[in-house]
Parts: sequence; C-alpha cells; structure tokens
Amino acid sequence: NAGVTQTPKFQVLKTGQSMTLQCAQDMNHEYMSWYRQDPGMGLRLIHYSVGAGITDQGEVPNGYNVSRSTTEDFPLRLLSAAPSQTSVYFCASRLAGTTDTQYFGPGTRLTVL
Amino acid sequence: AQKVTQAQTEISVVEKEDVTLDCVYETRDTTYYLFWYKQPPSGELVFLIRRNSFDEQNEISGRYSWNFQKSTSSFNFTITASQVVDSAVYFCALGEAGSYQLTFGKGTKLSVIP
Repeated sequence: NAGVTQTPKFQVLKTGQSMTLQCAQDMNHEYMSWYRQDPGMGLRLIHYSVGAGITDQGEVPNGYNVSRSTTEDFPLRLLSAAPSQTSVYFCASRLAGTTDTQYFGPGTRLTVL
Repeated sequence: AQKVTQAQTEISVVEKEDVTLDCVYETRDTTYYLFWYKQPPSGELVFLIRRNSFDEQNEISGRYSWNFQKSTSSFNFTITASQVVDSAVYFCALGEAGSYQLTFGKGTKLSVIP
C-alpha cells in the first residue's frame, strides 16, 4: 500500500495563479481532509469529505475549493493564489468513524510570491 | 468548543535524559479521542498513539509512555533515555465523537543534543 500520496512536493506560484494540489489514498478510507500548517499555528482544517460526492468546510476554507468524485482522490484547488496561502499542506485520510486514526500524506510546500 | 494546549513551545535535552511533553485539552464531550503525532525534520506526520476517553490506562511502547488523566484533562508523553532521532515536533490532537474535525495543539519542538 502506498498510503496517502500527495503531489507535487514543492510548488511556487505567483499571486493570482491557480493550481490543484493532488491527494490520493489506496486504503479505501471514506474520510479525507486537507490541513494547512503554518509556523506556531499547528494544523488547521481547510476542507473535508466523508465520502464520494460529499464535502464540507473546515476551520479555514476561504480561498480553497474541493471536490470528491471518487473514494481515492481528493484534490484541493486554489483558484487565485495569495501570499497568505503560503504554507505546508497536508492531506489525510481515515476510516469512516469520526475518531478513527487519521493518516497523513507527506505534505506539499507551497510558496506564493 | 474543543481546544488543545501544548504549553511547551521548545524543549532541549541532552541525550539519554528523560523528557515529558505536556498536553492539556478542553472538551464538553464525554466520548473523545486523543492522539500524538511526531513530525521529524523531514516533515511527514507520523502517528504515535490513540487513546479513547474511557481508557485511562497508561501506555508504554519501548522508550515512549503516555499518561492520560481525565481529572486534569491531560495526556502527557514521556520519552525515556532520549536519543537524537527523537528530535522532532510533537503534536497532541483531540477528536470528539460526532465531530469530523481533529483539533491540534501548536506543537512542541524537541531537540535532543548529543
């Protein structure tokens, strides 16, 4: 099993550009989520999905879109990147239970100039 | 609202010393789960332990041990005989039954000096 995979590992964008961070898991987990990690802030939830076709907002959803067309994939879209979105982004997945152990991808380090 | 506090921002110890990382949580739920994750310098997040609110037994895994005390809302993590490879940022997290959000503390950076 590859677990949770994320691409790209690093990305530099200019303000106003758009891009999609990819996330995939091969553990047949129903629940997937995106977090951002900023210095001194811990991890904050951006969006999550409890199954294909179902998504919802987390703590810091502004500026990000998500969709979940398959169980395996959960891409995160930045429609118009801003310097405030410079961060490390982690995708995570877990079984359907709300308190099951969550497993994280390796992260994507995004810089917006 | 749920909250996790890791009051120690950074800790430095000399190799072979014991070190305890503190975690205090707030929740109104009676059913909840607590987690510890390790983030080494390479950046990935590694799951260490999951503990539910009904199980206050302490857990030991090799040099790692966890002390869960509901009376003080704490879930502290002790590393015995620390090693350089233990150098990392450690996160404590709280998940409430019925909530999809996992709330993280801000992390404690542990540096083990040879």
